[in-house]
Amino acid sequence: GAVVSQHPSRVICKSGTSVKIECRSLDFQATTMFWYRQFPKQSLMLMATSNEGSKATYEQGVEKDKFLINHASLTLSTLTVTSAHPEDSSFYICSARKPDTQYFGPGTRLTVL
Amino acid sequence: AQSVTQLDSQVPVFEEAPVELRCNYSSSVSVYLFWYVQYPNQGLQLLLKYLSGSTLVKGINGFEAEFNKSQTSFHLRKPSVHISDTAEYFCAVSDASGTYKYIFGTGTRLKVLA
Repeated sequence: GAVVSQHPSRVICKSGTSVKIECRSLDFQATTMFWYRQFPKQSLMLMATSNEGSKATYEQGVEKDKFLINHASLTLSTLTVTSAHPEDSSFYICSARKPDTQYFGPGTRLTVL
Repeated sequence: AQSVTQLDSQVPVFEEAPVELRCNYSSSVSVYLFWYVQYPNQGLQLLLKYLSGSTLVKGINGFEAEFNKSQTSFHLRKPSVHISDTAEYFCAVSDASGTYKYIFGTGTRLKVLA
C-alpha cells in the first residue's frame, strides 16, 4: 500500500497566528514529499519539495519564511503557515513519493478569520 | 519543461455510457504520465500511471488509458460509467529523469447523469 495521512483535516484560526499541518506516510518511507495548494475549482499548485534531512526547495513566488517546511524523518513532513492571514485560506495537500509516483494525503482545509 | 492540457473542463455523460477524458502533454524529454481522481474536499487518488512498457494501462475502478507518443496524448477511458464516478479528474506528467515533480492539467469535471 501507499497511504498518506494529513492532520488536521480542518483548521480555523485567527489572523496573525501560526498553523502547523502534518503529513505522514503511514506504510512506506518517503525521502521526498511535496506540498500543494489548491484554490476552489482549480488545479493543484506546487508550493515546495520537501527532502528528508535537508532544506525544502520552494517554487517561484512562494514565500519560504511564511510557509516553513520541515522534513525531519522519512515518514513526516510538516508545513507551518506563519502569521496567517485571510488570503492564506486554502486547501493544502501533501504527497509522498514512492518511488516514481506521488501518493496524496486527504488535504487540510485552512480558514483564517 | 513539460506542460499538460486537459481541453475539456466539464464532461457530462449519462450513466452506463462510455466516456473519454482527454489529456495532451508536451515535453522534450521522456515522461511519466498519471491520472488521478479527486472527490469533493478530498485528496487525490491514483487511478493509473504509465512509466514504461505497454502503452495500454489499466487502472482501478474500470478505467484505462493509452499512451500515444506520436500524438503526445494519454486519454482516460471507461466503457460504462456509474454515478459514483462523478468527480474531478487530473492528468499529470513528470519527467523521467528524476526530479519527480508533477505538472498538473487544469482538471476535467466528470458529471454522470442518471
